[in-house]
Amino acid sequence: DTAVSQTPKYLVTQMGNDKSIKCEQNLGHDTMYWYKQDSKKFLKIMFSYNNKELIINETVPNRFSPKSPDKAHLNLHINSLELGDSAVYFCASSQDTVVVNTIYFGEGSWLTVV
Amino acid sequence: AQSVTQLGSHVSVSEGALVLLRCNYSSSVPPYLFWYVQYPNQGLQLLLKYTTGATLVKGINGFEAEFKKSETSFHLTKPSAHMSDAAEYFCAVSVNNDMRFGAGTRLTVKP
Repeated sequence: DTAVSQTPKYLVTQMGNDKSIKCEQNLGHDTMYWYKQDSKKFLKIMFSYNNKELIINETVPNRFSPKSPDKAHLNLHINSLELGDSAVYFCASSQDTVVVNTIYFGEGSWLTVV
Repeated sequence: AQSVTQLGSHVSVSEGALVLLRCNYSSSVPPYLFWYVQYPNQGLQLLLKYTTGATLVKGINGFEAEFKKSETSFHLTKPSAHMSDAAEYFCAVSVNNDMRFGAGTRLTVKP
């Protein structure tokens, strides 16, 4: 069973569209994340949720809206897609304890905006 | 906030040679440190991590890293490179579940 799964893996869409990427983890973790990896492979955290509550919200355009219906799911919705949104988006999760806190990543969603 | 600097965006070694990937961190509190590997078109896989205790940490695939507080470093090494080690390697620092990654180092292994 895949620990952190995200769909779709590949997404090609036109500018101005609205799209969502779904993420689910079956590890029983309390914390979930979205990371963005740009064309230069730079990984940057976007959001972090702990038990459905927003913990980290980096400087991300408000066109990006995470939604966590329960602690096993963290979906990413993107409005009015722009060319610069093309990237790989990684969902991840970790157990929220004082003992770290290995982050487990999904396999990524390749978003291409044309 | 904590941060990581990886020296060298691209490292090339011959098969069988020593692999050394450099990572320096910045953190106001004792950090937790990680190395992740990313193979082409795949997600990130944990190689090893340092939390507390022994400063020399052994990971998967023969990799190890040493936490040096005085140098604020966590360099990744492997005695003998294999062709299958070719990938992108990311150093990361975590404080209170907030993990920040370095820019990555692409490792190329020549036959």
